[in-house]
Amino acid sequence: DIQMTQSPSTLSASVGDRVTITCRASQSISSWLAWYQQKPGKAPKLLIYKASSLESGVPSRFSGSGSGTEFTLTISSLQPDDFATYYCQQYNSYPFTFGPGTKVDIK
Amino acid sequence: EVQLVESGGGLVQPGGSLRLSCAASGFTFSSYWMSWVRQAPGKGLEWVANIKQDGSEKYYVDSVKGRFTISRDNAKNSLYLQMNSLRAEDTAVYYCARGRFGGGYMDVWGKGTTVTVSS
Repeated sequence: DIQMTQSPSTLSASVGDRVTITCRASQSISSWLAWYQQKPGKAPKLLIYKASSLESGVPSRFSGSGSGTEFTLTISSLQPDDFATYYCQQYNSYPFTFGPGTKVDIK
Repeated sequence: EVQLVESGGGLVQPGGSLRLSCAASGFTFSSYWMSWVRQAPGKGLEWVANIKQDGSEKYYVDSVKGRFTISRDNAKNSLYLQMNSLRAEDTAVYYCARGRFGGGYMDVWGKGTTVTVSS
């Protein structure tokens, strides 16, 4: 199985900050990576697919990059609505696997 | 409005069975892969299983193989997860999700249904 790791596990930031979250895969997954945002008690929301494609309706302050084994999710200017937990997920091969999550909280 | 609504969760004893359902609306259900994803209390997301549009392909995470069965009824716009031989570690919120690109990533999620396995 492909193992996904994320760093940091927790990130404290302020409104307006540029935030970067890193996701690493235990083997190459090409660009078959998605990013999700989840708020407490809510279902995940798709942000990015194929490593860098922005899902329709998602604000342009979110962007994704990377390929192979290293990926990043960047929020260019953190907004109050962005405080949440973020997960990466590989879909290169079964079983699909998620990273452990990165919680973005208020500094 | 595109919507997924799960049902069927509850409290069950270890070794017991439960069948989850997911009712889809607002899109052509038969055109999409569908998935189940779960989240144990206070933990991260775990992909559980998915099924192709016509039900001809099904995939599972190893921890549920032989115990869980995913199925669908396109005439009823419904997805199911039959869960047998339940264990305490199956306790989680179970989400139904619509898959894109061969079911690889999930663009529409239900609100989830809670399964608790305890004596």
